[in-house]
Amino acid sequence: AQSVTQLGSHVSVSEGALVLLRCNYSSSVPPYLFWYVQYPNQGLQLLLKYTSAATLVKGINGFEAEFKKSETSFHLTKPSAHMSDAAEYFCAVSDPGNQFYFGTGTSLTVIP
Amino acid sequence: KAGVTQTPRYLIKTRGQQVTLSCSPISGHRSVSWYQQTPGQGLQFLFEYFSETQRNKGNFPGRFSGRQFSNSRSEMNVSTLELGDSALYLCASSLGKGAYEQYFGPGTRLTVT
Repeated sequence: AQSVTQLGSHVSVSEGALVLLRCNYSSSVPPYLFWYVQYPNQGLQLLLKYTSAATLVKGINGFEAEFKKSETSFHLTKPSAHMSDAAEYFCAVSDPGNQFYFGTGTSLTVIP
Repeated sequence: KAGVTQTPRYLIKTRGQQVTLSCSPISGHRSVSWYQQTPGQGLQFLFEYFSETQRNKGNFPGRFSGRQFSNSRSEMNVSTLELGDSALYLCASSLGKGAYEQYFGPGTRLTVT
């Protein structure tokens, strides 16, 4: 079975600082990996996905993530945080049977 | 393309009642998954339907059930509601194979009193 671990349930950064949200996965087969963002009282919105094409994946709103097989990691980064980035972020892995496994989420606070 | 829609958006029910939630996927998507989201438990997978068949199932009691229609619309039903069923219920649709991302609806906020 697949699993996802997000280190840090709460992360705070200053506006303009680097955002780094950590995600590690366990998978017995090459994974499909995703990052989603959730704003209050809304559903999840896809930020980016990795499907074995390129290890560095660029997403929306300036976010990107790097797949590192040796570290089984898929960390999310953004060079400069904006106030509008404050939200809950979820890392997910899917198996070939299309079942998704989500991490417990990381709440990002951006300090002005 | 229209996104995933869920109805109703908000619902208040009394313990012991039953409830039915509806989800309309993105046009062309054949897979619909349901999740329960609570502050304490995070996102928990309920079940997934693909072409009217339940393909995957999470670890929830039999009070939680679902179905999918030939037009890919899906419903989930919760019988004999308990206070702990209060949650945001999210529906997500996808084309149906592992590489394809899921697209989420806005959710139905269920409150059980």
